[in-house]
Amino acid sequence: AQKITQTQPGMFVQEKEAVTLDCTYDTSDQSYGLFWYKQPSSGEMIFLIYQGSYDEQNATEGRYSLNFQKARKSANLVISASQLGDSAMYFCAMRGVSGNTGKLIFGQGTTLQVKP
Amino acid sequence: NAGVTQTPKFRILKIGQSMTLQCTQDMNHNYMYWYRQDPGMGLKLIYYSVGAGITDKGEVPNGYNVSRSTTEDFPLRLELAAPSQTSVYFCASASHVGYEQYFGPGTRLTVT
Repeated sequence: AQKITQTQPGMFVQEKEAVTLDCTYDTSDQSYGLFWYKQPSSGEMIFLIYQGSYDEQNATEGRYSLNFQKARKSANLVISASQLGDSAMYFCAMRGVSGNTGKLIFGQGTTLQVKP
Repeated sequence: NAGVTQTPKFRILKIGQSMTLQCTQDMNHNYMYWYRQDPGMGLKLIYYSVGAGITDKGEVPNGYNVSRSTTEDFPLRLELAAPSQTSVYFCASASHVGYEQYFGPGTRLTVT
């Protein structure tokens, strides 16, 4: 069975510093995708970054990068130069290819608070 | 483009009542999904659809039904509401398997 684990319920970071949010996954699929979403206090789900299992380079999107370590089955999100607006809940999610349905499995999330 | 829209934004139901949560997307996406998010938790898949006329169960389908008569609409029906269905419901769509899912703003449902 596929599973996503986020072991950090809450994190604090000082403004302008970098922070890493942990995500480990379990799957028997050879082809899969990993996503990170941000959920601010307003509640909407905002897509941040995607990493495919066959991508050789780590994904980057502006201040977001994904530290993908396939052998360790980890897909940590790195946010550089934190801003107050980064305070939110962050979810790691995985898509397997079984059934070609695009279904996502989510972790429990990590709440990030950025301190001024 | 409005993206993914959901109505209503909030709803309070009494135990045993029924209701339909509406979801519409204007991006011509084939793939649509319904998730629920319980307080402090991640999202869990209720039902999904890979195209008009095709639906299937997700991880937590009990107490819900869906239909997909058009590409744009994917309503979620709650029959005989129970307190355990108190949650925030998100609808999402994607153009292809493997592409990011676009989420609606959510419906906050309370069953008392």
